[in-house]
Amino acid sequence: DTGVSQDPRHKITKRGQNVTFRCDPISEHNRLYWYRQTLGQGPEFLTYFQNEAQLEKSRLLSDRFSAERPKGSFSTLEIQRTEQGDSAMYLCASSTPLAGGRETQYFGPGTRLLVL
Amino acid sequence: TQLLEQSPQFLSIQEGENLTVYCNSSSVFSSLQWYRQEPGEGPVLLVTVVTGGEVKKLKRLTFQFGDARKDSSLHITAAQPGDTGLYLCAGFMNYGGSQGNLIFGKGTKLSVKP
Repeated sequence: DTGVSQDPRHKITKRGQNVTFRCDPISEHNRLYWYRQTLGQGPEFLTYFQNEAQLEKSRLLSDRFSAERPKGSFSTLEIQRTEQGDSAMYLCASSTPLAGGRETQYFGPGTRLLVL
Repeated sequence: TQLLEQSPQFLSIQEGENLTVYCNSSSVFSSLQWYRQEPGEGPVLLVTVVTGGEVKKLKRLTFQFGDARKDSSLHITAAQPGDTGLYLCAGFMNYGGSQGNLIFGKGTKLSVKP
């Protein structure tokens, strides 16, 4: 399977704990995105990388959130001191940038986080 | 405020019926995309429309991009139970030449009953 993979698929944690999610993009893609999706909403952009450089961060990404892509391949998203409002599906997507709005982002299956 | 408004939010129809889902904005997008998402999975791209007025067909699905590149529609002919899912529109905005983020609407949850 050469698609985007995410691990774990499900995570249940207690409020105040730290969690880390991993995303493995499609191997030849140099862009990697993180989104958050809550019930009844579309995905909301969190951050993206081009190779190992983090180029943009949303205001949704509070200082409790940190993302890395150390070697320009896989990425991790860490949430420190989790809160119940962090419960959501965290989606990763990868792409190769194309001009003129023709970029296709390929999404992984997501990690569903539940904070008790 | 939601930059991309989708309507209706929910749609429940019988197999064989036709339907149209709308995606509207007051902003101009360099392109609009339509995704379909199944429960517990990530969105899967159906189509990208780039040119104002563009119409694309994918079997029983017809996608249209508004002339002013502010809106789009998805029409499904003779819906089947396999069409059931969450349909999301998403767009790239022009930021002085760079592509910017992909912005999603809230989605239309379609249920097609046999």
